[in-house]
Amino acid sequence: DAKTTQPPSMDCAEGRAANLPCNHSTISGNEYVYWYRQIHSQGPQYIIHGLKNNETNEMASLIITEDRKSSTLILPHATLRDTAVYYCIVRPNAGGTSYGKLTFGQGTILTVHP
Amino acid sequence: GAVVSQHPSWVICKSGTSVKIECRSLDFQATTMFWYRQFPKQSLMLMATSNEGSKATYEQGVEKDKFLINHASLTLSTLTVTSAHPEDSSFYICSASTSGGFQIYEQYFGPGTRLTVT
Repeated sequence: DAKTTQPPSMDCAEGRAANLPCNHSTISGNEYVYWYRQIHSQGPQYIIHGLKNNETNEMASLIITEDRKSSTLILPHATLRDTAVYYCIVRPNAGGTSYGKLTFGQGTILTVHP
Repeated sequence: GAVVSQHPSWVICKSGTSVKIECRSLDFQATTMFWYRQFPKQSLMLMATSNEGSKATYEQGVEKDKFLINHASLTLSTLTVTSAHPEDSSFYICSASTSGGFQIYEQYFGPGTRLTVT
């Protein structure tokens, strides 16, 4: 599976947009980019995923570069409750022995401050 | 929708005893369930994948005789930690997913179970 690289930590002011980058330079054609977050002592929460087009839902937007080697998760108006560890994960969607698995890296600790 | 529960949310047991953790998908049928373990200040590590009605597939380094997984129905999977030791103290998290054909859909995670072995 392709590995991802994320900054270990980021800060954001409440009400501002939080832009979390992720590098996945070895991503292959059948692999999707998924984002999850984990608030302290809870299970991870699904945020969004995409293949090559930009995606938006009620939680966030996902911008994937044209070469698919990197992506950015955007929380448009961060709140204090968005403080969490954000995981960028590349996952094969079909076929192979590892399809369906999520391999969690260290993620980015996002701290939203007043 | 897509709610996954775990029971218990926390448990303390004595060394040498066994502990069972339940994972339930409350509003969907989960053909595949995953069990993860998370040590303090570390990331989640996948322990095993279980499909309803078949044996679980364990990740390398995970002892299948120590961590017994049963996925007997489409809404319930259990993880039993046998002969628990203090080093098994961890945060255990399950996730559930549906699948169709070659597609496995989004994983939905439970809230986790904090196990402390004394």
